[in-house]
Amino acid sequence: DSGVTQTPKHLITATGQRVTLRCSPRSGDLSVYWYQQSLDQGLQFLIQYYNGEERAKGNILERFSAQQFPDLHSELNLSSLELGDSALYFCASSEGEGMGGWTEAFFGQGTRLTVV
Amino acid sequence: QQQVKQSPQSLIVQKGGISIINCAYENTAFDYFPWYQQFPGKGPALLIAIRPDVSEKKEGRFTISFNKSAKQFSLHIMDSQPGDSATYFCAASKLSNTGKLIFGQGTTLQVKP
Repeated sequence: DSGVTQTPKHLITATGQRVTLRCSPRSGDLSVYWYQQSLDQGLQFLIQYYNGEERAKGNILERFSAQQFPDLHSELNLSSLELGDSALYFCASSEGEGMGGWTEAFFGQGTRLTVV
Repeated sequence: QQQVKQSPQSLIVQKGGISIINCAYENTAFDYFPWYQQFPGKGPALLIAIRPDVSEKKEGRFTISFNKSAKQFSLHIMDSQPGDSATYFCAASKLSNTGKLIFGQGTTLQVKP
């Protein structure tokens, strides 16, 4: 168990809908990352938040957005869903900058999103 | 320039054998190279990582070999066990942000008893 909690584990929704995925990072971790894993694109970095602020952006669609709250949990919002958005969405967290440099990232178990 | 290319896509090894997975990167700014292991239904878990100031790192049965000039690195699993059957991902990032990873496409390893 990595200590990163993602809910829900599974989500089935219809095209055009909006969903919210939730991530609770490991205790003490300030940085949260979101990744999408699909068969054709592999594991792709979407976005990172660090202590409530957006830190880095990857291949995230404009229909997707994220935020990190004061208690450090994060939510990934996916709107106007399309069939191609069906994928596993992972959250990872890391402490951030530590004594020996930036610390490693730990992944949650993911949310499997199916758009029908 | 952001790609990490991984091969082979799949690998079958007999128990006790050596599993070798290779990766190549393009961006010379990368200075952190981890390997992640993923079991079905689970998230990726960090297995071992290397920085480019060393050419090899060993942890138990797992060894990373790193060739900076060739921009290649590989994972060697010695004495492969059926429990090692999983998908392995190489990745690259910068030490200034080790969670912002560029992943390879993954290698599905099957270790036969």
